[in-house]
Amino acid sequence: LAKTTQPISMDSYEGQEVNITCSHNNIATNDYITWYQQFPSQGPRFIIQGYKTKVTNEVASLFIPADRKSSTLSLPRVSLSDTAVYYCLVGDLSNFGNEKLTFGTGTRLTIIP
Amino acid sequence: DTGVSQNPRHKITKRGQNVTFRCDPISEHNRLYWYRQTLGQGPEFLTYFQNEAQLEKSRLLSDRFSAERPKGSFSTLEIQRTEQGDSAMYLCASSFPGQTSNTGELFFGEGSRLTVL
Repeated sequence: LAKTTQPISMDSYEGQEVNITCSHNNIATNDYITWYQQFPSQGPRFIIQGYKTKVTNEVASLFIPADRKSSTLSLPRVSLSDTAVYYCLVGDLSNFGNEKLTFGTGTRLTIIP
Repeated sequence: DTGVSQNPRHKITKRGQNVTFRCDPISEHNRLYWYRQTLGQGPEFLTYFQNEAQLEKSRLLSDRFSAERPKGSFSTLEIQRTEQGDSAMYLCASSFPGQTSNTGELFFGEGSRLTVL
């Protein structure tokens, strides 16, 4: 599995756009990039997934450059409820379930009023 | 609620006792996973099932740990002779990779927190 590196923590003010970058230098051709969000005392929750370029859903956007060695999760106009830990995972979509999804330590995002 | 359900949510036990956790996955999901999470760390993979077959186990799953999914529905995770180092959140997740639009998304339960005194 490709190893990922994320900042340990980030702070932002309410209403700001937050960008969390994940490095995955040894990403393989078949690997997808997936982000999960976790609140205290809850299990992680899927946010978004992409392979290349840009993906957007109702919650976030995911930007992936052409070399795919990094990705950036973008949260628009954050609120206090976005305070959570965000995990970046990389893996072969066709093999999900046949390989151990590996979570790193994630990025602890704190939103300041 | 049709999400993943875990019981009990909290368990406090004395060292040396046995504990069992139960996970009820989303009904149509054929894959079920167990993860362990300690404070400040991401979830660590323990084991996973496809239907009733246990297909992979982490080396973290020592011989004191056993997981079953007898009918391919709910699963149990038993820890025998608990140690203080077993204190953690035990997370269960399920998925259904057979869907054509599958993203490999795991649906997690809220976890069972174990405290070993």
